Amino acid sequence: KQEVTQIPAALSVPEGENLVLNCSFTDSAIYNLQWFRQDPGKGLTSLLLIQSSQREQTSGRLNASLDKSSGRSTLYIAASQPGDSATYLCAVVSNDYKLSFGAGTTVTVRA
Amino acid sequence: DVKVTQSSRYLVKRTGEKVFLECVQDMDHENMFWYRQDPGLGLRLIYFSYDVKMKEKGDIPEGYSVSREKKERFSLILESASTNQTSMYLCASSPAGTSATNEQFFGPGTRLTVL
Repeated sequence: KQEVTQIPAALSVPEGENLVLNCSFTDSAIYNLQWFRQDPGKGLTSLLLIQSSQREQTSGRLNASLDKSSGRSTLYIAASQPGDSATYLCAVVSNDYKLSFGAGTTVTVRA
Repeated sequence: DVKVTQSSRYLVKRTGEKVFLECVQDMDHENMFWYRQDPGLGLRLIYFSYDVKMKEKGDIPEGYSVSREKKERFSLILESASTNQTSMYLCASSPAGTSATNEQFFGPGTRLTVL
């Protein structure tokens, strides 16, 4: 069964600092990996999707890398802003076509 | 923009009641999913559907059933609600084929409290 781990569980940084969020998964036979953002009490917003054949994806200040062989992905957020405060979730689709989620990293950006 | 809507943001029900949670997507997606999210446990898949009238069990189907009579609508049914089903319920959809290469889009969630 696929296990997805996100470290750290929580992160607090001053505004302007770059954020580095880590995600690891136990079964490297994945089809894709997706990063989501969740605000308190709300649904999930998709940020980036990386296909298994890709090594990274970029959208604005966000960059996600994927190293499938080592079972790792990293989400980088450049020049953090208070509006980036949220919980970030990593999810992978494995060969059973189901999405497995990590527990998330809760980010606080201090003004 | 893909839009996934859920019938209620907040719902309070009593133990033993039959509960219906409705999800509608407007992008003609074949795949639809129901998850529940609990503190410390993350998101867990309850049921999913790849087509109309099709359903597959996820990781925690016990106590739940689903219905997909129309492509755009996927309903989650709690036959006899219990207090351990108090949770945030999230619906998602994704385009054709398997979920393997396709991005999932989520609704705003329904926070269900069972008293």
